[in-house]
Amino acid sequence: DGGITQSPKYLFRKEGQNVTLSCEQNLNHDAMYWYRQDPGQGLRLIYYSQIVNDFQKGDIAEGYSVSREKKESFPLTVTSAQKNPTAFYLCASTGRAEAFFGQGTRLTVV
Amino acid sequence: AQSVTQPDIHITVSEGASLELRCNYSYGATPYLFWYVQSPGQGLQLLLKYFSGDTLVQGIKGFEAEFKRSQSSFNLRKPSVHWSDAAEYFCAVLNMDSNYQLIWGAGTKLIIKP
Repeated sequence: DGGITQSPKYLFRKEGQNVTLSCEQNLNHDAMYWYRQDPGQGLRLIYYSQIVNDFQKGDIAEGYSVSREKKESFPLTVTSAQKNPTAFYLCASTGRAEAFFGQGTRLTVV
Repeated sequence: AQSVTQPDIHITVSEGASLELRCNYSYGATPYLFWYVQSPGQGLQLLLKYFSGDTLVQGIKGFEAEFKRSQSSFNLRKPSVHWSDAAEYFCAVLNMDSNYQLIWGAGTKLIIKP
């Protein structure tokens, strides 16, 4: 079945560490997105990529980095510069004007 | 600027009662509108979408939504809710002026009373 796979489902990070969240899709979609979700704030766009080897900052890109070396993959790195990284992270891709989502990764700073 | 407003943060309804979740948008052209549902700790699933044509749109799980241009609204309805409908619901509009980004409402959490 086609879809988006995020891993891991739960991730714990010590303060000062970088961590990378994985997002893989087999939908053959060009566009991929990373969102951050905090209670009561809906979805906030971190980064998006419309095509391989190109990506754009979203509304809250500070402290995050991404790469898009393959069409299928769009990993997100949460760097130590992100002051409040504890959140639920969602990866999505779009095709035919519809967004498809992964199951999310819950990141907790310990 | 384009925006989506979901005025209700929480809504509580009894099981078997009818439901209406409100969504208002601000967008200059004909909007492409969506409703998504999110169960706790999960990703989002598309319930329904409106692009053009009939303003009453049928979706999955017995949901429907009505596009009203005069009111800039796209409210989600269900005649009789089930306990399994407890979730968070998000309205979104496709911004075709800016890289086809989805603009999201803040979400409405639906609580079902037994």
